[in-house]
Amino acid sequence: EPEVTQTPSHQVTQMGQEVILRCVPISNHLYFYWYRQILGQKVEFLVSFYNNEISEKSEIFDDQFSVERPDGSNFTLKIRSTKLEDSAMYFCASRFEGAMNTEAFFGQGTRLTVV
Amino acid sequence: AQKVTQAQTEISVVEKEDVTLDCVYETRDTTYYLFWYKQPPSGELVFLIRRNSFDEQNEISGRYSWNFQKSTSSFNFTITASQVVDSAVYFCALPSYNTDKLIFGTGTRLQVFP
Repeated sequence: EPEVTQTPSHQVTQMGQEVILRCVPISNHLYFYWYRQILGQKVEFLVSFYNNEISEKSEIFDDQFSVERPDGSNFTLKIRSTKLEDSAMYFCASRFEGAMNTEAFFGQGTRLTVV
Repeated sequence: AQKVTQAQTEISVVEKEDVTLDCVYETRDTTYYLFWYKQPPSGELVFLIRRNSFDEQNEISGRYSWNFQKSTSSFNFTITASQVVDSAVYFCALPSYNTDKLIFGTGTRLQVFP
């Protein structure tokens, strides 16, 4: 069964460092998302991406964040200068269509720890 | 505004008990979808069900069943004869108004003891 794959599963980084979280969405999917979940809290939307551009972003997704689909298969989230409060589980998701008649499939998540 | 409320923070049951997880939502949309996801201790988010607001029939899938009541804006999830492997956090979710991003509830942590 096709699945969304995220690497690494866990990343520890020092405050101020850049991190890149990687995702391989399901191959025929067209809509891509990043969500995050601070430990013990709910899952929050960060950004959606379609046709090689951001379609929507949340207030959390400030200038320190960027997304890219560099090669037609990977979908990356970059945090330029990490802060302690960026520590969270980051989920990538993909969907075949943007409308709600298809479900979003989530990856297993990358746990980011900023120290 | 779109909102999902899962009032039960944590539920503990003994194996083989039935358990119902509540979800109440608010939406501006006249037609919409609702979702349930499971997050086991390993951390991933597992899709369980998508329900169209047109369809108010209850849905059953094995030990899982969902009760959608549009009149009370609720989409409750029942696990029959719970098992230890059902222990997880369960999230109800709703698309944001006029976009495809999901708004998640705060989740209900279910612990099933042997």
